[in-house]
Amino acid sequence: KQEVTQIPAALSVPEGENLVLNCSFTDSAIYNLQWFRQDPGKGLTSLLLIQSSQREQTSGRLNASLDKSSGRSTLYIAASQPGDSATYLCAVRHGANSKLTFGKGITLSVRP
Amino acid sequence: NAGVMQNPRHLVRRRGQEARLRCSPMKGHSHVYWYRQLPEEGLKFMVYLQKENIIDESGMPKERFSAEFPKEGPSILRIQQVVRGDSAAYFCASSPPAGYQETQYFGPGTRLLVL
Repeated sequence: KQEVTQIPAALSVPEGENLVLNCSFTDSAIYNLQWFRQDPGKGLTSLLLIQSSQREQTSGRLNASLDKSSGRSTLYIAASQPGDSATYLCAVRHGANSKLTFGKGITLSVRP
Repeated sequence: NAGVMQNPRHLVRRRGQEARLRCSPMKGHSHVYWYRQLPEEGLKFMVYLQKENIIDESGMPKERFSAEFPKEGPSILRIQQVVRGDSAAYFCASSPPAGYQETQYFGPGTRLLVL
């Protein structure tokens, strides 16, 4: 059974800091891995999707990496801003059109 | 192209009543997924449907919960005889037919409160 872990559960940083959010998963036979953002009381917004054959994906100030063999992914946020404050969720998928298995998320607070 | 729509956004029910949650997928999407987010918990998969078919219901509680995705109209998640433990945010996601880069697009969720 796949388990996805995100530690720590919460993180507070000053504005401008570069930061790394970690995600680990127990079963390395994944199809892809996705990072989402969730704002309070809202739905999920997809940030980056990494296929199992890829090592990383970049979008603006965000960079996500994937190391399947060690069961780890990181989300790197450069020059953090208060608007980045949200909960960041990592999710893995085992096959095309199969379910997503989520971690509990990391709640990020960026202080002005 | 409108995103995934869910209604109602908030639903209050008393114990023993029925709750019906609706999800309209994005245009052209034939795959629907339901997830539940309990307080202080991550999102947990409940059920995966295609038009008129349940593909994977491994995350659905065995009793009181059912889901459908008819040929016409939205997908419905139905909870009978609700209990306080059913209070949660229920998210629907949709995706297009299988493709290499497919992702799931999430709706805003329905927040169910059982009194």
